[in-house]
Amino acid sequence: EAQVTQNPRYLITVTGKKLTVTCSQNMNHEYMSWYRQDPGLGLRQIYYSMNVEVTDKGDVPEGYKVSRKEKRNFPLILESPSPNQTSLYFCASRIKPTADHTDTQYFGPGTRLTVL
Amino acid sequence: AQKVTQAQTEISVVEKEDVTLDCVYETRDTTYYLFWYKQPPSGELVFLIRRNSFDEQNEISGRYSWNFQKSTSSFNFTITASQVVDSAVYFCALSDNAGNMLTFGGGTRLMVKP
Repeated sequence: EAQVTQNPRYLITVTGKKLTVTCSQNMNHEYMSWYRQDPGLGLRQIYYSMNVEVTDKGDVPEGYKVSRKEKRNFPLILESPSPNQTSLYFCASRIKPTADHTDTQYFGPGTRLTVL
Repeated sequence: AQKVTQAQTEISVVEKEDVTLDCVYETRDTTYYLFWYKQPPSGELVFLIRRNSFDEQNEISGRYSWNFQKSTSSFNFTITASQVVDSAVYFCALSDNAGNMLTFGGGTRLMVKP
C-alpha cells in the first residue's frame, strides 16, 4: 500500500531538547516536503526536497533542519525546540513535480508536537 | 509572493442546505494550479480537486462543484445538499508553476448539523 508514515504521531517535549520527526515513503518519490499547520494559518511549507541531497527552504524554515540522505526518508529536526513550534506537522511526497501537476501529493497522517 | 485567502473561518449549516466556501488567491505567475483539500476530524488531508490556470471550466463531482474565475482570482467550492459527513476543515491551496511550493489558505471549518 502506497503511504507516507510519520513518527512519532504525538510528542510532548520541553524547550531546548533536540528532537527528530521521521518521515518515510514507500513510493520511490523524488519530492518530499514538510508543513506545519496552525489555527487560522492553514498549512505552511517548512522545507522541501527535490531529490537526495537536494533541499530548499519553504516559507517558514527558521528553527528547523532537514536532511535527505536517502530517497525514502526526510526527517525534520528541531535542534532547540521552543513553544512557538508547538504545531501539527505534515510530511508529504510526490513522484516529481510535473509540468501539468497531474501527479498526486500524498500526505502523512500528521505529528502533533507540544513544546512546553 | 503567493497568497491564498479564505475569509470564512467557520460556517455552520443545517443538513441539506447548500454551502459555498470562498477562496481568493494572489500570484504573479501566469501558469499556476489551484487545489482544494478536506481535513475531516480524524486529521488526515484528503485531496479533492486540482485546477490549472488555463482551464476555467467549472467542475462538478457529485454534490461538489467548483467555480474558477480568473477575472476575480477566485476558486470557490460549493457543496449541494450538505450532509453531516461533510463536516471538516477545507483548505484551498495554490501551487507555483514549478510545483515546488504549495501555499495554503487559512482553512474554513464547516459544521453541518443534523
